[in-house]
Amino acid sequence: QVQLVESGGGVVQPGRSLRLSCAASGFTFSTYAMHWIRQAPGKGLEWVTFVTNDGSGKFYTDSVKGRFTISRDNSKNTLSLQMDNLRAEDTAVYYCARDLPNTGFDYWGQGTPVTVSS
Amino acid sequence: QSVLTQPPSASGTPGQRVTISCSGSSSNIGSGYVYWYQKLPGTAPKLLIYKNNQRPSGVPDRFSGSKSGTSASLAISGLRSEDEADYYCSAWDGSLTGWLFGGGTKLTVL
Repeated sequence: QVQLVESGGGVVQPGRSLRLSCAASGFTFSTYAMHWIRQAPGKGLEWVTFVTNDGSGKFYTDSVKGRFTISRDNSKNTLSLQMDNLRAEDTAVYYCARDLPNTGFDYWGQGTPVTVSS
Repeated sequence: QSVLTQPPSASGTPGQRVTISCSGSSSNIGSGYVYWYQKLPGTAPKLLIYKNNQRPSGVPDRFSGSKSGTSASLAISGLRSEDEADYYCSAWDGSLTGWLFGGGTKLTVL
């Protein structure tokens, strides 16, 4: 069965870095674009970034451009999010999700919480 | 404030039909597909509707989606207590080159 398992969340001080990972199984990882989507406490869903299936294309929401970097290793079925210069407003639960064109985000991980606080 | 606009709340009694609207623009809803997600506290979002009105396998036919111009709607018929959740619309925005979510609608089953 399809599984997406995030890890790497935690508490970090403003300005520091954190690296999230998403381990994928149960499907052909290299076929799917992969996304990071977050939900801040008491707020709605916010799309953060996605990478195309072959890693050649990467897109970011404006608030994280220049600070976050998405990457994938299709040989290890792993998605990563390097988050640098973290801010308090980056505090959220971070979900990884997959999609094919026009199918929507059909599978999501359980999420990993990130808290940016001094 | 979200680019995709949803009402913050909606409510209905068991068995009723409720609709949730999602308003966008020509660069998102008006030029592409709309997706709907259900979010329960402490759980991952669940895809309810894709390509405006298609249901993934396993989603009851009580859930339906529609789109007209730059707006879309999610309808839930035969409302049940387990439908109480937050609902989000989503669309790709070609101008922003990114995915958008609406602000979410909290559905209460009275």
